Amino acid sequence: RKEVEQDPGPFNVPEGATVAFNCTYSNSASQSFFWYRQDCRKEPKLLMSVYSSGNEDGRFTAQLNRASQYISLLIRDSKLSDSATYLCVVEGNTPLVFGKGTRLSVIA
Amino acid sequence: GAGVSQSPSNKVTEKGKDVELRCDPISGHTALYWYRQSLGQGLEFLIYFQGNSAPDKSGLPSDRFSAERTGGSVSTLTIQRTQQEDSAVYLCASSSFLIDNYGYTFGSGTRLTVV
Repeated sequence: RKEVEQDPGPFNVPEGATVAFNCTYSNSASQSFFWYRQDCRKEPKLLMSVYSSGNEDGRFTAQLNRASQYISLLIRDSKLSDSATYLCVVEGNTPLVFGKGTRLSVIA
Repeated sequence: GAGVSQSPSNKVTEKGKDVELRCDPISGHTALYWYRQSLGQGLEFLIYFQGNSAPDKSGLPSDRFSAERTGGSVSTLTIQRTQQEDSAVYLCASSSFLIDNYGYTFGSGTRLTVV
């Protein structure tokens, strides 16, 4: 099993749609989890951390299920500017392990 | 500085030449990481520095790759006798020791093309 697995997509959704990405990880000892966003030909940027209790930042909601070793990201009311690749990131035995990303295209 | 600075932003080199890539982390960040990203691929860990500890070199793909970090700040990644498969974007990131919920901050990368 790969350390971090994501559906590569692409997810093509209309503006205003709700879209969810999932991610599974193999290291049950991992304690820190993140979602990063990477625009085309740019560096990854931290979108949000993922807390055990779940957390929300505006239109973005992240969930963690430790028992199933599963992380999710929900984007509500999608905007054109949300088009990017979303990377699931998990703490390993340092450094952070990055998934290959899920590509999202929001269409007008 | 305000962010992680990498230079050069682009480098084209001939196969067999040596290259040096530079990273200047965020001031006060004790941890520094090098990753690379090939076209359409995920981030591949290369090497990690934490303070004065010995670096974690477990991700270096061959002995042609080496890195150093002087004075706990600036880092240089050196690739000797470059090969075409070394073509990628080399990303540097830094973090404070207690990364907890703050993750890494990346530089904008060096795009290396070996011809």
